[in-house]
Amino acid sequence: GQQLNQSPQSMFIQEGEDVSMNCTSSSIFNTWLWYKQDPGEGPVLLIALYKAGELTSNGRLTAQFGITRKDSFLNISASIPSDVGIYFCAGRRQGGSEKLVFGKGTKLTVNP
Amino acid sequence: ETGVTQSPTHLIKTRGQQVTLRCSSQSGHNTVSWYQQALGQGPQFIFQYYREEENGRGNFPPRFSGLQFPNYSSELNVNALELDDSALYLCASSLFGGGEETQYFGPGTRLLVL
Repeated sequence: GQQLNQSPQSMFIQEGEDVSMNCTSSSIFNTWLWYKQDPGEGPVLLIALYKAGELTSNGRLTAQFGITRKDSFLNISASIPSDVGIYFCAGRRQGGSEKLVFGKGTKLTVNP
Repeated sequence: ETGVTQSPTHLIKTRGQQVTLRCSSQSGHNTVSWYQQALGQGPQFIFQYYREEENGRGNFPPRFSGLQFPNYSSELNVNALELDDSALYLCASSLFGGGEETQYFGPGTRLLVL
């Protein structure tokens, strides 16, 4: 099945560092979402983006909807140990059903 | 918590068997989508149900089928299980026609096919 190109695949950082991850596609999406998934759990919505160019923050998290509608990025500032997990981007195309297309995820490890 | 619940949490089946997974949507939501997440991958869309009818389907064979009930809860049925069906099955509920339709996921059912 189709998946978005998400990078990096994994990151190992020190507590307090900033993190950046991104997602790209060859297709246009009209919605971009960022989820976090902990082991044994379902994805939890972090940020939703609905307009090209939109920049949205949720605490230490900031995400942007690319102007071309083909990409999005997520930044985490001043990382803490509980930021550990797998981060997924997801896009929804214009029209059709509401299906979400996901990236393969970025696994984040934060060393105290 | 999202308010989306799934049962069972874990399940072990053998090849050729059939399985039914259940999902209760978040209060006020009228749409349920099902996803399959293989180990190390992102979720893959199976299908979506709205007003008790299938409203979009991903690239999954007909042995994957579903139901939605008047209370908007849903079932995913998989017949003739194969080893590759081993995965985490996620349901997500949303409010179709509500404008900014965001999907909220349940904790998933982990299925192991032996």
